[in-house]
Amino acid sequence: NAGVTQTPKFQVLKTGQSMTLQCAQDMNHEYMSWYRQDPGMGLRLIHYSVGAGITDQGEVPNGYNVSRSTTEDFPLRLLSAAPSQTSVYFCASTPSDSAYVEQYFGPGTRLTVT
Amino acid sequence: LAKTTQPISMDSYEGQEVNITCSHNNIATNDYITWYQQFPSQGPRFIIQGYKTKVTNEVASLFIPADRKSSTLSLPRVSLSDTAVYYCLGGRGSARQLTFGSGTQLTVLP
Repeated sequence: NAGVTQTPKFQVLKTGQSMTLQCAQDMNHEYMSWYRQDPGMGLRLIHYSVGAGITDQGEVPNGYNVSRSTTEDFPLRLLSAAPSQTSVYFCASTPSDSAYVEQYFGPGTRLTVT
Repeated sequence: LAKTTQPISMDSYEGQEVNITCSHNNIATNDYITWYQQFPSQGPRFIIQGYKTKVTNEVASLFIPADRKSSTLSLPRVSLSDTAVYYCLGGRGSARQLTFGSGTQLTVLP
């Protein structure tokens, strides 16, 4: 199993550009989520999905869109990049939407917006 | 949600046992305590989870006293490769309610 994969690993965008961060998992997990991590801070939840076709907002959703058309994929879209979105983005998955189950994280995407 | 407080940083030497304490005064009856480890340029990785008393696995031990207002992650005989940020999370119910704070930066020195 590859686990949780994310592409690209690094990305530089200009302000106003759009892009999609890809996330895929091969563990048949129902719950997937996106976090951002800023220097010296913990992870903040952007969006999450409890299954295909179901998504919802987390703590910091502004400027981001998600969709979940399949169980495996959960892309994160930046509609119009801003310097404040410079961060490291992590995708995670877990078998169910439970605080008692291990979450599996991807390797992250380091995004810089100039 | 259990609000957790842990030291910002700790230093240790190779071969020593490291104990990282997390305070969670408002922990609720159904909250579990979970610890994650994050190496530089990687995503967090689950280490251990417990509810009370002691839990041990191949990586660490977790001690939770009877009042459950704190917990201690114990790493036996650390090596340089244990240098990482360690997060203490308290929560119940849904995964989306788990909060990763700033964590504890553990630096293992030779």
